[in-house]
Amino acid sequence: DAKTTQPNSMESNEEEPVHLPCNHSTISGTDYIHWYRQLPSQGPEYVIHGLTSNVNNRMASLAIAEDRKSSTLILHRATLRDAAVYYCIPETSYDKVIFGPGTSLSVIP
Amino acid sequence: NAGVTQTPKFQVLKTGQSMTLQCAQDMNHNSMYWYRQDPGMGLRLIYYSASEGTTDKGEVPNGYNVSRLNKREFSLRLESAAPSQTSVYFCASRLASATNEKLFFGSGTQLSVL
Repeated sequence: DAKTTQPNSMESNEEEPVHLPCNHSTISGTDYIHWYRQLPSQGPEYVIHGLTSNVNNRMASLAIAEDRKSSTLILHRATLRDAAVYYCIPETSYDKVIFGPGTSLSVIP
Repeated sequence: NAGVTQTPKFQVLKTGQSMTLQCAQDMNHNSMYWYRQDPGMGLRLIYYSASEGTTDKGEVPNGYNVSRLNKREFSLRLESAAPSQTSVYFCASRLASATNEKLFFGSGTQLSVL
């Protein structure tokens, strides 16, 4: 399993962009990079995933480094509802999915 | 759409009692997972089933057993509950494929062992 390193916590002002970093230097060539988030008192929910190139969806953007050893989840305009724990998970289909401690994001009004 | 359904939502057990947590998905997913989350902590994988008929240990399997009853259902059993198993339990499923599909989670079972 690829090891990940994320900041324990981050803060952002409401309506400003947020860049959540993740290092995954031991990622294998077949691992996709998934991001999930967990709102307070809820189960995790999918945010975005990618393999090599940058990805966008309605929730966020995912920027993947050229060497794939790091990635950044970008929330373009943070809202109070985005306050959550964000998990970065490199993983391969058909295998176990291990969640690390993640980054706790606080959004300041 | 039901998605991933977990039962029960809440349960209180006495030390030594047994119980089974049920999980069912209606999305024709082939992989299913059981996690536990202690207060203020991250999720830890207990067991998973990559496909119907297979189960494998995760990070914290001790004290638990699982059964992949069919493609839809994946149950988690505590044979002799201990206070250390007080936690929120989440079931998840996904369509494992070459494009590495996302996990869908149930709403969780809050278990207290006294």
